Amino acid sequence: QVQLQESGPELVKPSQTLSLTCTVSGNFLSRDNYYWTWIRQPAGKGPQWLGHIYIPGRTKYSPSLESRVTISLDTSKNQFSLNLSSVTAADTAVYRCARGIIVVTPGGKTQTFFDYWGQGTLVTVSS
Amino acid sequence: SYELTQPPSVSVFAGQTARITCSGESMPNQYAYWYQQKPGQAPVLVIYKDSERPSGIPERFSGSRSGTTVTLTISGVQAEDEADYYCQSPDSSGPYYDVVFGGGTKLTVL
Repeated sequence: QVQLQESGPELVKPSQTLSLTCTVSGNFLSRDNYYWTWIRQPAGKGPQWLGHIYIPGRTKYSPSLESRVTISLDTSKNQFSLNLSSVTAADTAVYRCARGIIVVTPGGKTQTFFDYWGQGTLVTVSS
Repeated sequence: SYELTQPPSVSVFAGQTARITCSGESMPNQYAYWYQQKPGQAPVLVIYKDSERPSGIPERFSGSRSGTTVTLTISGVQAEDEADYYCQSPDSSGPYYDVVFGGGTKLTVL
């Protein structure tokens, strides 16, 4: 069974960069059939997909955040990371990492869904 | 931006059937997925590819679709099913790749 665990600062000042790391149990990060994903959830709201990374280091980001998001991968440490720059109070949320399963529809479209999630870490943006 | 629309709340008595809908313009061309989330916990996948049930999810959870709407049905609702439920489906309406979640439905078991 896969386990994911987020780590990083819980308080970030406005305009700074939010940085989180997700540590994945086992050797799953080296496999090319998963999307390693970051998702956040503001209090009282639904989840918001931030982006994902997959072997061999290709990324996809949410169009609304693409200018501020970077996701990287370190398979030697079984970790992938999130950087979100120029944060504001609106970026305050629980941040979770997740494993994305890759699906191809009968029409040939590629999708993903999430079968394992980290417990999440609350990151507050405040001075 | 693309939206998936869910009712904010659904209430049923224990033992009855709960139906939670999710609608979106791109839904006919995409699979839908459903997650259950209890307070303070990470979401748990309960339905994938419209109607498939992951191992360990009770048979009372089922999924279906009709046109632009997908439905999560919980038959014989139990008290432990009280939670927030989120649908998820991609946005295929434009040139960008995007993973979209619905706003969530709070299921109350009376």
